[in-house]
Amino acid sequence: DGGITQSPKYLFRKEGQNVTLSCEQNLNHDAMYWYRQDPGQGLRLIYYSQIVNDFQKGDIAEGYSVSREKKESFPLTVTSAQKNPTAFYLCASSIRQGTEAFFGQGTRLTVV
Amino acid sequence: AQSVSQHNHHVILSEAASLELGCNYSYGGTVNLFWYVQYPGQHLQLLLKYFSGDPLVKGIKGFEAEFIKSKFSFNLRKPSVQWSDTAEYFCAVNANTDKLIFGTGTRLQVFP
Repeated sequence: DGGITQSPKYLFRKEGQNVTLSCEQNLNHDAMYWYRQDPGQGLRLIYYSQIVNDFQKGDIAEGYSVSREKKESFPLTVTSAQKNPTAFYLCASSIRQGTEAFFGQGTRLTVV
Repeated sequence: AQSVSQHNHHVILSEAASLELGCNYSYGGTVNLFWYVQYPGQHLQLLLKYFSGDPLVKGIKGFEAEFIKSKFSFNLRKPSVQWSDTAEYFCAVNANTDKLIFGTGTRLQVFP
């Protein structure tokens, strides 16, 4: 089936540890995005990538890092520098920047 | 900076009532506009989109939205809501093929 796969669905980490969230798409989309969803704040853009080996910071990039070595993969690392990492993280992709985005099921990260 | 405002944070309706959710954006150039819905426990999915042409666009499940350029608005409407419309609704804007920005969302509860 075509789509966007985020894994794992739930993730628990101790404070001070880096953690990497996986996002894979088999839609042959050029653009990929990472959002963070918090109650009452909607979706806030962390990073986005329009093409392989290129990515840009979104509105809340501090404490996060990404890579785009392959078209189908856009992993997000939540570093220990992120002050409030517990959240629901959503990955999305679109054919190109500006078109309809398709979303994964999300990863709920809890840092204790 | 590009931004999206959704003024209705929580809307409660009875079945068969009419719905209108507001969305305003702050960008004077070319925009692509979207409404997404997130049903409880499900991933975000597209309700409708506007790129150009007829400013009244129809989406899935009886939803429609009207783009009013002079008001920088893209309000979502449905003439008669159903209990199954209970969900969170997000307006999103892509300005000049740049990043996709979301509003804070509106939580809709429909009671039978």
